Amino acid sequence: EIVLTQSPGTLSLSPGERATLSCRASQSVSSSYLAWYQQKPGQAPRLLIYGASSRATGIPDRFSGSGSGTDFTLTISRLEPEDFAVYYCQQYGSSRGTFGPGTKVDIK
Amino acid sequence: EVQLVESGGGLVQPGGSLRLSCAASGFTFSSYWMSWVRQAPGKGLEWVANIKQDGSEKYYVDSVKGRFTISRDNAKNSLYLQMNSLRAEDTAVYYCARDPGIAVADYYFDYWGQGTLVTVSS
Repeated sequence: EIVLTQSPGTLSLSPGERATLSCRASQSVSSSYLAWYQQKPGQAPRLLIYGASSRATGIPDRFSGSGSGTDFTLTISRLEPEDFAVYYCQQYGSSRGTFGPGTKVDIK
Repeated sequence: EVQLVESGGGLVQPGGSLRLSCAASGFTFSSYWMSWVRQAPGKGLEWVANIKQDGSEKYYVDSVKGRFTISRDNAKNSLYLQMNSLRAEDTAVYYCARDPGIAVADYYFDYWGQGTLVTVSS
């Protein structure tokens, strides 16, 4: 099973700043089958990125994904107030998919 | 607009049973693989089970095999999860989620319901 590690655990930033979130896999993720989700308290996860870099429907272009192999990054170019949330990465290339533990982006 | 609405959660004793339902609307339900994904309180996400468009294929995470059964009724645009022999570690919010895969499941999820809480406790 591929284990995903996300860092940092918590990222404290101000609105307007750039956020860089990391997701590292214990083995190479085939075909860049890597997704990112946003989850706010009491809400369901929302798909942001799939295929490592493709934005899901309706996702603003301030969200971008990159990476391949074992190292992936979600970048939020300029944080909006509604972007403060927990972000999960998920690999879906093997073992029916596994999720990372999440990175919380909170207001500094 | 795609909508997924779960129901059926609640408090149940260890060893008990519960049936979750998910009502789908806003898309052609019969064209998609569907999954259940759960999240224990304060924890991360775990895929639980999925089912092919026509119900002919079903897959489960090892921890629920033999205890949970996923099913669907395409005429009613509904997904179900029958949960038997429940354990404390099954306590979680259970989400119904749509898989964008067609011929095979993709195992990522483009739409999610709001979830229903299952609490297993005596």
